[in-house]
Amino acid sequence: TQLLEQSPQFLSIQEGENLTVYCNSSSVFSSLQWYRQEPGEGPVLLVTVVTGGEVKKLKRLTFQFGDARKDSSLHITAAQPGDTGLYLCAGVNQAGTALIFGKGTTLSVSS
Amino acid sequence: KAGVTQTPRYLIKTRGQQVTLSCSPISGHRSVSWYQQTPGQGLQFLFEYFSETQRNKGNFPGRFSGRQFSNSRSEMNVSTLELGDSALYLCASSLDRPTGREQYFGPGTRLTVT
Repeated sequence: TQLLEQSPQFLSIQEGENLTVYCNSSSVFSSLQWYRQEPGEGPVLLVTVVTGGEVKKLKRLTFQFGDARKDSSLHITAAQPGDTGLYLCAGVNQAGTALIFGKGTTLSVSS
Repeated sequence: KAGVTQTPRYLIKTRGQQVTLSCSPISGHRSVSWYQQTPGQGLQFLFEYFSETQRNKGNFPGRFSGRQFSNSRSEMNVSTLELGDSALYLCASSLDRPTGREQYFGPGTRLTVT
């Protein structure tokens, strides 16, 4: 069974701090996606990483795909209250028919 | 363009009842996927419809069913509701395959079973 484990489960920080959240699996994924979900809304896709070792930047967010394509990380520089939300990673299952989601990291950034 | 819409946004039902949820995808999107989100299990795939046919199905009991209409709108039905069915039900639309292209999620329907 393919699983995506996300850590930490909860993170509460002050505005301006840096943070990293992780998405790990024992399975190889052809690609991984990162979503952010705000309260009362559905998840919104932030980025898709495809190549092992790939690094993508989205403003203050940096996403990395592990060399073996089994893990990924999301680093946020100088977090802002607007970054608050649930961060989810997702990968395509082995059959290629559906996305598997991690349980997410709930981030709270206070000013 | 308009996003994915889901109705109703909130629903309270009693155990044993049935419920129907609706999802209108982005115009031009033919694939609609449904997910159940709970604090304990996270986001879990229910099923996917494409061109009025169920193309893929997750590991949920037969009480969960769905359908898609010719205009790509989709409905999800849960019969004989159980307390454990309380969850946020999300639908997502994409152009063709949900695993190959970006999926756009709706805001969800919050179902509470009492």
